[in-house]
Amino acid sequence: DTGVSQDPRHKITKRGQNVTFRCDPISEHNRLYWYRQTLGQGPEFLTYFQNEAQLEKSRLLSDRFSAERPKGSFSTLEIQRTEQGDSAMYLCASSSKGLIYEQYFGPGTRLTVT
Amino acid sequence: DQQVKQNSPSLSVQEGRISILNCDYTNSMFDYFLWYKKYPAEGPTFLISISSIKDKNEDGRFTVFLNKSAKHLSLHIVPSQPGDSAVYFCAASDLSIHTFRDDKIIFGKGTRLHILP
Repeated sequence: DTGVSQDPRHKITKRGQNVTFRCDPISEHNRLYWYRQTLGQGPEFLTYFQNEAQLEKSRLLSDRFSAERPKGSFSTLEIQRTEQGDSAMYLCASSSKGLIYEQYFGPGTRLTVT
Repeated sequence: DQQVKQNSPSLSVQEGRISILNCDYTNSMFDYFLWYKKYPAEGPTFLISISSIKDKNEDGRFTVFLNKSAKHLSLHIVPSQPGDSAVYFCAASDLSIHTFRDDKIIFGKGTRLHILP
């Protein structure tokens, strides 16, 4: 296994369109996290899953955002009716049950909303 | 209100010398601290961590020091190498106010380290 992967790496969309990102975690990791990073900021927590259960959502995650992890493996993050303020790097990370604080990040999906 | 603060946006250090990156936090409930390194176009990479029951953790060239009374931690890199040039994020784990453990990580804004030849 080569680590956490994310697809696509870059996405340009027009305001109002819906976008979906995919994250494939390290195979033996049962926890999966989504973060958002904007310029000059550190990653900001959005939500996380333990297996298929979504355990917490940040207040940053408005109603336009939804995340799923249907079989406890890959996860998707969907943004509906995108706004220019959604432009950011969306990072996915995973961790194992034994070392929950050591999260391993993917390369991210850079979203640009025009 | 930023709970993890990295007040130096950038730092330049001569190759071979010691790099010291600083981090302050405000939440006394934090019980675990981490440092991540990030290269351009890549996600953050876990570097080193420290539990709040310790005051020092060392891994090769990297040492993290924790001063709980001052709510301050620092990352020392000795000796600094060109490949250390990157953005370094300090991060901390957040215990829920409802007292169940929450493994969400709070990141600082990062410090860009430049290693000069």
